[in-house]
Amino acid sequence: AQKVTQAQTEISVVEKEDVTLDCVYETRDTTYYLFWYKQPPSGELVFLIRRNSFDEQNEISGRYSWNFQKSTSSFNFTITASQVVDSAVYFCALLNQGGKLIFGQGTELSVKP
Amino acid sequence: GAVVSQHPSWVICKSGTSVKIECRSLDFQATTMFWYRQFPKQSLMLMATSNEGSKATYEQGVEKDKFLINHASLTLSTLTVTSAHPEDSSFYICSARFPSGGTGELFFGEGSRLTVL
Repeated sequence: AQKVTQAQTEISVVEKEDVTLDCVYETRDTTYYLFWYKQPPSGELVFLIRRNSFDEQNEISGRYSWNFQKSTSSFNFTITASQVVDSAVYFCALLNQGGKLIFGQGTELSVKP
Repeated sequence: GAVVSQHPSWVICKSGTSVKIECRSLDFQATTMFWYRQFPKQSLMLMATSNEGSKATYEQGVEKDKFLINHASLTLSTLTVTSAHPEDSSFYICSARFPSGGTGELFFGEGSRLTVL
């Protein structure tokens, strides 16, 4: 079975705190892609990152960083020095070899001033 | 970057009527498009895969006679919710696959919010 689990349903932090959103996936595919999307209240999905299964290098983009650990099937997302504008629902997703994108349940992040 | 556009962005209709939602790839040809549904406070669930020139492939539990999908051209897929009922009220999002190497890039539309009264 292929599955993406985001165990944290809601997270609330105060501005400038660092926050990590967890993502654990299950797949038997040898080649797959992992994604993170941000969904603000307006509803559209904002693409944040795509990572293929052969690239375990961690990535940093401004205040965002991602930790891909194939050994634990995890692809965690950290926001450093969070801001109110970071408040949104964040989805982790797995693109399997069949081309289907499987989403996690989402984590609602609330950053308070 | 590539753009996928959905129309309408929101629609309110009476129970029993049919509603059509369009998904267009604006600057690339998409042989495959996907339709997702998202209920409030829930995740996105894949409804069907739309392939240009052939029948759509529906996920388990999705009624193909209720959610008609037509992918008549390489830039347009439509989802028609037939005889809509209040329980069909949801946020519908499409995505289109950009035909690059590997599995291709995926781009999402802005979503269409359907409210059935």
